[in-house]
Amino acid sequence: GEDVEQSLFLSVREGDSSVINCTYTDSSSTYLYWYKQEPGAGLQLLTYIFSNMDMKQDQRLTVLLNKKDKHLSLRIADTQTGDSAIYFCAERNSGYSTLTFGKGTMLLVSP
Amino acid sequence: GAVVSQHPSWVICKSGTSVKIECRSLDFQATTMFWYRQFPKQSLMLMATSNEGSKATYEQGVEKDKFLINHASLTLSTLTVTSAHPEDSSFYICSARPFGLAGGYNEQFFGPGTRLTVL
Repeated sequence: GEDVEQSLFLSVREGDSSVINCTYTDSSSTYLYWYKQEPGAGLQLLTYIFSNMDMKQDQRLTVLLNKKDKHLSLRIADTQTGDSAIYFCAERNSGYSTLTFGKGTMLLVSP
Repeated sequence: GAVVSQHPSWVICKSGTSVKIECRSLDFQATTMFWYRQFPKQSLMLMATSNEGSKATYEQGVEKDKFLINHASLTLSTLTVTSAHPEDSSFYICSARPFGLAGGYNEQFFGPGTRLTVL
């Protein structure tokens, strides 16, 4: 079955860039997503990328996709303390409408 | 953006009792809703897909008689945990896909989650 892997923890200083990495196994993934989860809250879609794209930029967020290596990354520029949260990578298979999530990366931003 | 609410936000119950969790789409209609559970420091695991007016589709390993799902309207789905046991303690999250938003990037809007603790 599909598998999505992420590093569990990242700590950065305010103002630095954060890079969260994700790998996946399903070569037929069509869309890949990044969600943000703040404590006690549901998931908020941050951005997504279609599988035929290499990069997508949205304000402070940059998503890079290496389809050959099945590697996805999320770069947050000028990281703020409000960016502290858990970030989930997810993928959607072409044949299904459901999502497969990674375990989440906890980002801690210190002043 | 579209808002999904869950009620209750947290619940504590005794072992053997049943608990109902509601998921509502507040400003849109949702033909499809999804139920996930999340254990501490774990990912979201899809439990079932709920379609309005039809039976839910359960993922492998999820007992349909234990986790009863009802999607009675385009804005409401309920998950009932029957005869709850301590191992059912978890964070239950629902999501909803707006009516007519099939294909594309398949946006799902997530509820804030319900923390269930079974004593």
